[in-house]
Amino acid sequence: NAGVTQTPKFQVLKTGQSMTLQCAQDMNHEYMSWYRQDPGMGLRLIHYSVGAGITDQGEVPNGYNVSRSTTEDFPLRLLSAAPSQTSVYFCASKKGTGANVLTFGAGSRLTVL
Amino acid sequence: KNEVEQSPQNLTAQEGEFITINCSYSVGISALHWLQQHPGGGIVSLFMLSSGKKKHGRLIATINIQEKHSSLHITASHPRDSAVYICAVQETSGSRLTFGEGTQLTVNP
Repeated sequence: NAGVTQTPKFQVLKTGQSMTLQCAQDMNHEYMSWYRQDPGMGLRLIHYSVGAGITDQGEVPNGYNVSRSTTEDFPLRLLSAAPSQTSVYFCASKKGTGANVLTFGAGSRLTVL
Repeated sequence: KNEVEQSPQNLTAQEGEFITINCSYSVGISALHWLQQHPGGGIVSLFMLSSGKKKHGRLIATINIQEKHSSLHITASHPRDSAVYICAVQETSGSRLTFGEGTQLTVNP
């Protein structure tokens, strides 16, 4: 089925460990983005990309890295996990960079102990 | 001050009631999105609009660009409408979206 696939759905890490959240879309969307969702707060943009080879920081980029080597994939790397990064993470994509409908992945719940 | 403000934060209704959720924003936008998130679930797009009004089934979304305000209406509400409804705006200056905190709607049978 066409859409945005995120893995893993759940992950528990210890402080200081690193990991990568995977995001893939098969809709040939140019724009891809990562958000975190915390209780009492709206979705906050971590990093985004407007095409292969192009990435930029969002509101809360510290502690996260991204790359966009292909149109389909946009992995999010946690370099040294901290308890403050405990959150639900969503990947989303849309066609072009203008006003288009955003398609979300199912989310990844990350707990950092 | 958040660029996107939603009201109310929480809303409880009885089945069949007419529901309105409001969204105000402070920046120039190219589009406004309404999203729905069920408990423990993913996020789906309900509407994207830049002017006027859109309708899909029992859901209606309106936007007033001059007043920087949008409303989401649900007619004949049903318990399955219970979810968090999120407003997001795409600024005219770029491709990024800014999100409101969401409105938790509970519809009781």
